[in-house]
Amino acid sequence: QLQLQESGPGLVKPSETLSLTCTVSGGSISSNSYYWGWIRQPPGKGLEWIGNIYYSGGTYYNPSVKSRVTISVDTSKNQFSLKLTSVTAADTAVYYCARTLLWFGEFNWFDPWGQGTLVTVSS
Amino acid sequence: QSVLTQPPSVSAAPGQKVTISCSGSSSNIGNNYVSWYQQLPGTAPKLLIYDNNKRPSGIPDRISGSKSGTSATLGITGLQTGDEADYYCGIWDSSLSAWVFGGGTKLTVL
Repeated sequence: QLQLQESGPGLVKPSETLSLTCTVSGGSISSNSYYWGWIRQPPGKGLEWIGNIYYSGGTYYNPSVKSRVTISVDTSKNQFSLKLTSVTAADTAVYYCARTLLWFGEFNWFDPWGQGTLVTVSS
Repeated sequence: QSVLTQPPSVSAAPGQKVTISCSGSSSNIGNNYVSWYQQLPGTAPKLLIYDNNKRPSGIPDRISGSKSGTSATLGITGLQTGDEADYYCGIWDSSLSAWVFGGGTKLTVL
């Protein structure tokens, strides 16, 4: 079955760039209609959507982080990646990747999810 | 503060039924599809309900979803201790052009 796995540094210094990769297995990242997304969860808090990407490169970003976020895709490796610049302690969170469906102009759900990776922003 | 409002916590006894509400507006629940997620302690969220009331394969029929106007409800019957988790509603907001989650509801099975 489809599985997603996040990877990347667990510690990032303030003002630097957070970089994570999500590897998709058990299916193709190039599937029609499916987008691939990033969601984060600060310790003890709720979920926040970061953005989604299509295999052809089309993206949707959360306006709250849009100025600092870039999501990219590498279909040859069945991976997509997240870059978040100028991080602060407020960006400390568990970062999840997940598959989503775009249907008639709206995203419908997220499934499945990766297990998540904790990124701590600290000097 | 989220555009989707959920109660912070709910509780019920084993075997009983519980409902969790998710209140929104015409730019989200009023016109788009709601999904619900279960997050067991220390684990990733899991899709429970999509398209307002549909269950993915493997989700038991004691889990249900409904929508009326600008509110949605998750129902769980025959509560088990294993149902203790955080539950989130989620939806696309057409005005914000963003996906939004509710603040989450912690379910305690007494």
